Amino acid sequence: GAVVSQHPSRVICKSGTSVKIECRSLDFQATTMFWYRQFPKQSLMLMATSNEGSKATYEQGVEKDKFLINHASLTLSTLTVTSAHPEDSSFYICSELSGGGSYNEQFFGPGTRLTVL
Amino acid sequence: ILNVEQSPQSLHVQEGDSTNFTCSFPSSNFYALHWYRWETAKSPEALFVMTLNGDEKKKGRISATLNTKEGYSYLYIKGSQPEDSATYLCAFIGTNAGKSTFGDGTTLTVKP
Repeated sequence: GAVVSQHPSRVICKSGTSVKIECRSLDFQATTMFWYRQFPKQSLMLMATSNEGSKATYEQGVEKDKFLINHASLTLSTLTVTSAHPEDSSFYICSELSGGGSYNEQFFGPGTRLTVL
Repeated sequence: ILNVEQSPQSLHVQEGDSTNFTCSFPSSNFYALHWYRWETAKSPEALFVMTLNGDEKKKGRISATLNTKEGYSYLYIKGSQPEDSATYLCAFIGTNAGKSTFGDGTTLTVKP
């Protein structure tokens, strides 16, 4: 399967700062990437679908001005948490959609643990 | 909001035990069900993609079955090994949205 990297793996920041998380497809051109967040003991919740060269599609309840997504190339999508607050502390994970015929199988990055103080 | 449930939430077994867990999902508008295996500090990796009612898939000691009419899938691990310790996620994809809805996962711990 495809290899997806995510950077950083862990970040601690002060309240009010912005944090950028990168998701890279290392061996596959990903036109579609997904961003999820996971709270403790809960499932992966889809935040947005990132499409190369166009605006991201956000899920209901996710603030697009708070969570900025950029997918400028086929191998890189970024998620920027703007003016982060302690309630944004969570585990963020990206994935890319595999190619045609795979019934929406996804390849995941290893995730980023964000802690906002 | 789609309801995808996994049970049990966690499971502790001895090495050599066989185990199984359940994923239940909506029985309408079914497109596919995925099982992922997620080891600590690693990326979730796909185990099975299941698409047809009655599907049975097998990979080594791990197998899965699918019943789309009643909305459940079972994952079986035969002769569990410590390296099987991980969280097992299922994800339901419906025909109307195309997005994956994940269950909370079953965390398996296999004691040597």
